[in-house]
Amino acid sequence: EIVLTQSPGTLSLSPGERATLSCRASQSVSSSYLAWYQQKPGQAPRLLIYGASSRATGIPDRFSGSGSGTDFTLTISRLEPEDFAVYYCQQYGSSPELTFGGGTKVEIK
Amino acid sequence: EVQLVQSGAEVKKPGESLKISCKGSGYSFTSYWIGWVRQMPGKGLEWMGIIYPGDSDTRYSPSFQGQVTISADKSISTAYLQWSSLKASDTAMYYCARLTVGIAAFDIWGQGTMVTVSS
Repeated sequence: EIVLTQSPGTLSLSPGERATLSCRASQSVSSSYLAWYQQKPGQAPRLLIYGASSRATGIPDRFSGSGSGTDFTLTISRLEPEDFAVYYCQQYGSSPELTFGGGTKVEIK
Repeated sequence: EVQLVQSGAEVKKPGESLKISCKGSGYSFTSYWIGWVRQMPGKGLEWMGIIYPGDSDTRYSPSFQGQVTISADKSISTAYLQWSSLKASDTAMYYCARLTVGIAAFDIWGQGTMVTVSS
């Protein structure tokens, strides 16, 4: 089973700043099979990025994803007030089976 | 509109059984996998398992194999998650979500069902 480790656990930033979130896999993941989600308090998760770098429908272009192999990154270029939330990465394996990372909370500094 | 609508919150006692539901609409229910995801209070997302309603092919996370049963009734576009004997540790929010294999991600999520198990 592939384990996804997200860092940092919490990121304290101000609106307008750049956020860089990391997701590291215990074994190589196909770039096509790495996704990112945003979850706000009291809400279901929302798909942001799939295929490591493709934005889902309606996602602003300040969100971008990159990476390959075992190291993936979600970048928020300029934080808006509505971006303060928890972010999860997820990988998809054959069968299918899936794994989520432990999450990174982006909080207001 | 493509959506998944889950059944309402449940309060149960340890040892009781429970079946919660997830109804899909606005798309071909039999053509997409439906997954279940657990979120314990204040914790992260955990993938529990997944079902393909077209033929009821089901896969479980090793962590949840034998602990829950996932099923689907394609005639009413509904997937289910059930427990035969609940424990206090099953207290959590449970989400269903549609997996689009082409993008390898859950693109549509239900609103969640809160399950509370307490004596």
